[in-house]
Amino acid sequence: SQQGEEDPQALSIQEGENATMNCSYKTSINNLQWYRQNSGRGLVHLILIRSNEREKHSGRLRVTLDTSKKSSSLLITASRAADTASYFCATDASTQGGSEKLVFGKGTKLTVNP
Amino acid sequence: DAGVTQSPTHLIKTRGQQVTLRCSPKSGHDTVSWYQQALGQGPQFIFQYYEEEERQRGNFPDRFSGHQFPNYSSELNVNALLLGDSALYLCASSPRDFNQPQHFGDGTRLSIL
Repeated sequence: SQQGEEDPQALSIQEGENATMNCSYKTSINNLQWYRQNSGRGLVHLILIRSNEREKHSGRLRVTLDTSKKSSSLLITASRAADTASYFCATDASTQGGSEKLVFGKGTKLTVNP
Repeated sequence: DAGVTQSPTHLIKTRGQQVTLRCSPKSGHDTVSWYQQALGQGPQFIFQYYEEEERQRGNFPDRFSGHQFPNYSSELNVNALLLGDSALYLCASSPRDFNQPQHFGDGTRLSIL
């Protein structure tokens, strides 16, 4: 079963605009990760935020985590056509050392129009 | 530094056949996980291997089995293929440390006719 639920399912914006995607999950976690996938290829890791962190930045990416609401958001600023892809959140509830199974949502399909 | 590599990239099989998919983890990683991604869906966890043993398993039937070799590479085997097994199969590797991301290969696209 899928734990994370991304919202919206699809998002279309113009180049230069910001894109915000949300993710909700159901159980306690060690960390939450965001991945990008281009056209059915492999997943590219974007950012990992630990359960004791509230916000994290990486280049044009900003991720927030609210464990009380079991939700996270991914903000992509100044979007580019190359950002067009599907974005997935994945939760890691590892308890025994090392990353165990990741539970993914269904993803948000982002289209950035030139 | 090579990332996660998977072979083959595409495969076409018929119902009832069996298939073996292969994965080489990223250098320095000792844990390999396999995921199935149906069209339009997020990846679903199949199982994870560490120290040549299956450590965790998702909700997949026994037709799905795997193996990890001493060099940490891994195989995914699927027997008695069904039409519903058509999917992108993704391999991910990670080190055995908390709060480390999993690194994914480009996947094997399996089509069942």
